[in-house]
Amino acid sequence: NAGVTQTPKFQVLKTGQSMTLQCAQDMNHNSMYWYRQDPGMGLRLIYYSASEGTTDKGEVPNGYNVSRLNKREFSLRLESAAPSQTSVYFCASRSPDRNAYEQYFGPGTRLTVT
Amino acid sequence: LAKTTQPISMDSYEGQEVNITCSHNNIATNDYITWYQQFPSQGPRFIIQGYKTKVTNEVASLFIPADRKSSTLSLPRVSLSDTAVYYCLASSSDSWGKFQFGAGTQVVVTP
Repeated sequence: NAGVTQTPKFQVLKTGQSMTLQCAQDMNHNSMYWYRQDPGMGLRLIYYSASEGTTDKGEVPNGYNVSRLNKREFSLRLESAAPSQTSVYFCASRSPDRNAYEQYFGPGTRLTVT
Repeated sequence: LAKTTQPISMDSYEGQEVNITCSHNNIATNDYITWYQQFPSQGPRFIIQGYKTKVTNEVASLFIPADRKSSTLSLPRVSLSDTAVYYCLASSSDSWGKFQFGAGTQVVVTP
């Protein structure tokens, strides 16, 4: 199993450009998450999808949209990138066991907006 | 979600036990405590979870007293490779999406 994969690993955008970050998991998990992590800070939840067909806002959703394409894939879109969105983006998934709180994280996408 | 508070940093020497205390005064009845470890340039990695009393696995121990207002992660006999940021979270069984990471505790282990 590859676990959680993310593409691309690195990306540089100019202000106003758009892009989509891709995330996929092969663990048959229902719940998936997108976080951002700014330098020296903890992770902040952008959006999550508790199950296929549902998405909800997290702590910092402004400037982002998400799509739960199917059970495996959860994408994050920046419609008009801003320098404030320079960050490392992590995707995660979680087991369907209600009493299991372990999230599995991908390797991250390092995004720079100039 | 219960807010968690941890020390910003802790230093230790190799071979010592490191105890990181997390405060969560407003923890809800259904909340579990989970801890994650993060190395630079990597995503966080789950270490342990618990509800009350003591839980131990091959990596760490987690002690949660009866009032559940705090918890302590114990890392026995740390090595240089345990240098990382450690996050404490309160996670509710009622919500699949509500995970709130704080700033974490930077643990630095020196020879």
